[in-house]
Amino acid sequence: QVQLQESGPGLVKPSGTLSLTCAVSGDSISSSNWWNWVRQPPGKGLEWIGEVYHSGSTKYNPSLKSRVTISVDKSKNQFSLNLSSVTAADTAVYYCARAVYGWHWFDPWGQGTLVTISS
Amino acid sequence: DIQMTQSPSSLSASVGDRVTITCRTSQSISSYLNWYQQKPGKAPKLLIYAASSLQSGVPSRFSGSGSGTDFTLTISSLQPEDFAAYYCQQSYSTPYSFGQGTKLEIK
Repeated sequence: QVQLQESGPGLVKPSGTLSLTCAVSGDSISSSNWWNWVRQPPGKGLEWIGEVYHSGSTKYNPSLKSRVTISVDKSKNQFSLNLSSVTAADTAVYYCARAVYGWHWFDPWGQGTLVTISS
Repeated sequence: DIQMTQSPSSLSASVGDRVTITCRTSQSISSYLNWYQQKPGKAPKLLIYAASSLQSGVPSRFSGSGSGTDFTLTISSLQPEDFAAYYCQQSYSTPYSFGQGTKLEIK
């Protein structure tokens, strides 16, 4: 079955850049799906960050657009998130998820990784 | 941007109860509405997609309905494993957005 697995540092300093990778197994990153990042601050709701298609086309949440870059690495069957100029407000569990082309429901999701912004 | 209003924010119910969670959007989204279940410390899990289609492997006590701006998730007979948080999500246009969530607790 399709599985997604996030990886990256669990602690990032304020003003630094948060970098995460999502490894995909059981599906090709070049399939007709979009590859997404969603985050959830502790005890709060879900926020969509953005998505990437295998062509490199991206869509971002305007609330984060100036700080976000999502890219795809077809050779490694994975995609990545970079979030710059982070503050404590960016502390959250970060999930990667696959979105079906056209309808964009998210399935499956990675298990999530907690990233804490602190000095 | 499309605003999501999900209600109630919390709900206490008993095993065997029928419960309904509602989600309203700020503009018509046709049937581009999805429902997720999230248990503590776990990733969200897709329950219902395209407003009323049951995801494979999800028990038939879960159902979804609605179109346009008003949607509902119904659990026909609550089971102990159903006590969790539930979120709606619109996938009509970016930025995709989620409802604030409903925490379903045991009465």
